[in-house]
Amino acid sequence: QLQLQESGPGLVKPSETLSLTCTVSGGSINSRYWSWIRQPPGKELEWIGSISYTGATNYNPSLKSRLTISVDTSKTHFSLMLTSVTAADTAVYYCATDSSPTRWFIWGQGTMVTVSS
Amino acid sequence: EVVLTQSPATLSLSPGERVTLSCRTSQSVSSSSLAWYHQKPGQAPRLLIYNGASRAAGIPDKFSGSGSGTDFTLTISRLEPEDFAVYYCQQHHSSPYTFGQGTKLEIQ
Repeated sequence: QLQLQESGPGLVKPSETLSLTCTVSGGSINSRYWSWIRQPPGKELEWIGSISYTGATNYNPSLKSRLTISVDTSKTHFSLMLTSVTAADTAVYYCATDSSPTRWFIWGQGTMVTVSS
Repeated sequence: EVVLTQSPATLSLSPGERVTLSCRTSQSVSSSSLAWYHQKPGQAPRLLIYNGASRAAGIPDKFSGSGSGTDFTLTISRLEPEDFAVYYCQQHHSSPYTFGQGTKLEIQ
């Protein structure tokens, strides 16, 4: 059974880079689409971006200038890098996947990231 | 960007009742481009409906989705205690894929 697990620092300073990894277990990363979605405290979900196993990406335009999503098929994980973070980037970050790039059936448990000095 | 507006923000109901949740999009989307999730406190969202009316794997048939154009609904035919959660609609008609602000279903 495919499972996802997010990992990364829980605290990032303003203007620095937020880096998260999603480890894939129980299945192959060499198929499907892999996505990041976030949820600020008490707010709705926001799609961040997606990547296919071939490396093709699709980013939310509101984050595109600061965002990099990559996939490492040999190590069965995919990653998110968000530069120049501010308090507005404080959120629970989820990784998720599906056979379609536009919906998400399998989710990680989420990881809380706080941007604060 | 397609904006999704859900109503009402909160619904107080009792187990056994039937409920219909509303999701309105700011522009017309394909009837097959709407998904529904629910989320319980401290948990990740769970996909219920995709492509407007298709149930995700493992989702019971008490959940049904419908709609077209700019108006979509999720119906739960008979509420059970585990159904009380926040429900989100999401459009996958055009990028960026956006979510509604959620409807909280609470036990009366």
